[in-house]
Parts: sequence; C-alpha cells; structure tokens
Amino acid sequence: GENVEQHPSTLSVQEGDSAVIKCTYSDSASNYFPWYKQELGKRPQLIIDIRSNVGEKKDQRIAVTLNKTAKHFSLHITETQPEDSAVYFCAALANFGNEKLTFGTGTRLTIIP
Amino acid sequence: NAGVTQTPKFRILKIGQSMTLQCTQDMNHNYMYWYRQDPGMGLKLIYYSVGAGITDKGEVPNGYNVSRSTTEDFPLRLELAAPSQTSVYFCASSPMPPGPSERQFFGPGTRLTVL
Repeated sequence: GENVEQHPSTLSVQEGDSAVIKCTYSDSASNYFPWYKQELGKRPQLIIDIRSNVGEKKDQRIAVTLNKTAKHFSLHITETQPEDSAVYFCAALANFGNEKLTFGTGTRLTIIP
Repeated sequence: NAGVTQTPKFRILKIGQSMTLQCTQDMNHNYMYWYRQDPGMGLKLIYYSVGAGITDKGEVPNGYNVSRSTTEDFPLRLELAAPSQTSVYFCASSPMPPGPSERQFFGPGTRLTVL
C-alpha cells in the first residue's frame, strides 16, 4: 500500500518568511495530493490540492509543487502570518479507484511574531 | 447545508463501557470515513464505506464496528472501551473517491477519554 512520509515534524519561522513542508510517497500510481491545515482543537481543513498531471499550483500565498519522478510534493507558504500557525498534513491517493487517502504524520508550524 | 456533523463533542467512558459515535452528512456523499487522531499524531483510518450497505476495514479497525444503513449516517461503535482508544475521532465524507472535484470534508470531531 501507499506510504507517505512528511518532514519536518516541527517548523518555526519568523513572521514574513517562507515555510516549506515536504512529503514523499511510495506508490508511483498515486495521482492526487491534498494538503490539510488543522488549527488547535479544530477539524482538518483542505487548503490546496494537486493532481499528478500538474507540476505546480498556487493559491495566493500557498503553493504546492509535485515531482513525480522523485515521488515528492511540497507545500510552500510565503509571507507567513501568525494565523498560519497550525499542523499541516499532506496526503496521497493511489490511482485506479482507490478510495482511501494516506496521510502524512503532520508538521507543526509555528510563526514567530 | 450542515456538512458533516458528529455527536457527541466530548465523552468520558469507563473501561469496558460501550458507546456509539454518530456521524451524519447532508451532502449526499457516497464515501464516508472514520479516523482517529492520537495526541500530537496524524490521522489513522479505522473504517470506511463506499455506499449504503458497504463497509471495509482501514488501518486500525480492532475494537471498533461500523454500519452504513443509509447514505447519510455512518455510526462508529466501541464495544469494550479501553484506555488505548482515548483519542479524537473524526468522520469525513466525499462524493466519490477523493479528488480535485470530489474533495473530502471532515466533521468537527469527538474527543473520547477512556479511564
């Protein structure tokens, strides 16, 4: 089955700087990669996703890049703000009708004012 | 449109007690999922369902049971609660297998403590 590894487990960045979180996956058939943000005590919320036929996707200060050859994808947050502090999870979905997302173990991002 | 709702929000159980965690979605989604999230950890899939009458085990099914008699409801049953089941439980749903047009949405969670 699919295995998703996520690094780093914790990340602290100065407000205004950029943050990068990286995930690797094992199943080369995986074709959908969402990112979720979970604030303390809240539910995971989808913030951005990408399909395997796209190399990069941007949404304002958030971007996701995908390298299919290396089987890794990354979340980039620019101009970080205090409200970006949260736990971020990556996930992967294998192709051919697989119904289950496989989640990474999460990255706790702290923005230092 | 309430999305995915879960009850209760919080519950404390004694070892050996039983309870059912309720999950309901009003989006007519076929796919529903139960995850547990231990403190400081990621999401582990317990059970999932691709439609009414169909359920399947996830990564950590032991100690749990599910049923899916309607499209809307996907209850999770704990028969003999154990301290290892102390966790936050999230229900989620999507119309089809998750994808850019079929995104997976989470409920607010149930915080369960077993003492």
